[in-house]
Amino acid sequence: GAVVSQHPSRVICKSGTSVKIECRSLDFQATTMFWYRQFPKQSLMLMATSNEGSKATYEQGVEKDKFLINHASLTLSTLTVTSAHPEDSSFYICSARGGPGTKGSYEQYFGPGTRLTVT
Amino acid sequence: TQLLEQSPQFLSIQEGENLTVYCNSSSVFSSLQWYRQEPGEGPVLLVTVVTGGEVKKLKRLTFQFGDARKDSSLHITAAQPGDTGLYLCAGRVGTASKLTFGTGTRLQVTL
Repeated sequence: GAVVSQHPSRVICKSGTSVKIECRSLDFQATTMFWYRQFPKQSLMLMATSNEGSKATYEQGVEKDKFLINHASLTLSTLTVTSAHPEDSSFYICSARGGPGTKGSYEQYFGPGTRLTVT
Repeated sequence: TQLLEQSPQFLSIQEGENLTVYCNSSSVFSSLQWYRQEPGEGPVLLVTVVTGGEVKKLKRLTFQFGDARKDSSLHITAAQPGDTGLYLCAGRVGTASKLTFGTGTRLQVTL
């Protein structure tokens, strides 16, 4: 399968600060990347979909000014949690999907996740 | 709004037992995927089904897509402790690129 990485795997930050999470497709070009949030013992909730070179599409209820998404290249998307608060503490997971006819084109391949703790 | 309901939510069984997890929806999906997730890690794709009535086998795991493409099941034969994890179904509606995840089934297999 295709490989997706995330960095960092764990981050602790103080309330009011911003934190950036990177998602990289290592062996394919990801035309679309997705960001999910997962609370303990719950399923994944889609936050936003981003296509390379264009603005992200946010799901209903997700604050786009708080969760800034950038997908500037075909292998990298970033999620920045701005002015983080304790309620933003969660497990954030990205996934990537390639363009038609490419490796990773049909499936979504998931990163290992980033555990964010806001103190 | 969760479009995909999984049952049971939690299942604790002993090694060697069989089990079935269900994924149900009122929506029709163009494809449906099953993932397994371990604590602190991302989901790992197990299988994708696209055709109504399709059955796929992956060693001791058997996946079925309903004829109407609204539901799916995962059957595990002779469960092992290594099968422990969170099982998630996820469906794609039409040509949409995004997936809708099910509510999840947490499986625990003990010796």
